[in-house]
Amino acid sequence: EVQLLESGGGLVQPGGSLRVSCAASGFTFDTYAMSWVRQAPGKGLESISGITGSGDLTYYADSVKGRFTISRDNSKDTLYLQMNSLRGEDTAVYYCAKGMSSLSFSELDYWGQGTLVTVSS
Amino acid sequence: QSVLTQPPSVSAAPGQKVTISCSGSSSNIGNNYVSWYQHLPGTAPKLLIYLNDKRPSGIPDRFSGSKSGTSGTLGITGLQTGDEADYYCGTWDGSAEVFGGGTKLTVL
Repeated sequence: EVQLLESGGGLVQPGGSLRVSCAASGFTFDTYAMSWVRQAPGKGLESISGITGSGDLTYYADSVKGRFTISRDNSKDTLYLQMNSLRGEDTAVYYCAKGMSSLSFSELDYWGQGTLVTVSS
Repeated sequence: QSVLTQPPSVSAAPGQKVTISCSGSSSNIGNNYVSWYQHLPGTAPKLLIYLNDKRPSGIPDRFSGSKSGTSGTLGITGLQTGDEADYYCGTWDGSAEVFGGGTKLTVL
């Protein structure tokens, strides 16, 4: 059974940093692309970053480019999102999601339950 | 403002059919596949349709997808109260994945 378990969310001050993680199980982690998708309060889904199975290709939404870094440790079956220079508008539930192939960012067939990040003073 | 345009809400009675549209452009839907997701608040989103019209295993055939030009459409037949949720389309937009603004389905 595929499982994705996010962790690391919490309250952080504006300008601060936070790293969220996603522990994967139930599939061969290094053969699938992974993505981070967030949902701000009262808003829709926003895809913010993705990484291929090998980790050699990434993308970022303009809203987080230069501030967030996606990475993965295939030896630990874990996906990460390092978030720096956090702003109030980054407050959201952050979901990790699995692609259907090593290069797929567009067919996300399994999602975690999400972790809440709140940016506030 | 989302790159993909969806109606904010749709509604229909139990047992009826509803369609949800997703309008884009040549830089996204026009040259890429469309996916559809169902999201109930507080839960993990669920993939309903991928590659325009394919259903993952376990998704009933009441859900269907299609694409024409720069628009995609999600169809749901035999509506059930459990279908009340937010629905999102998604596609690649040249350098990033993008979603529509979401459509809230109400089953009256």
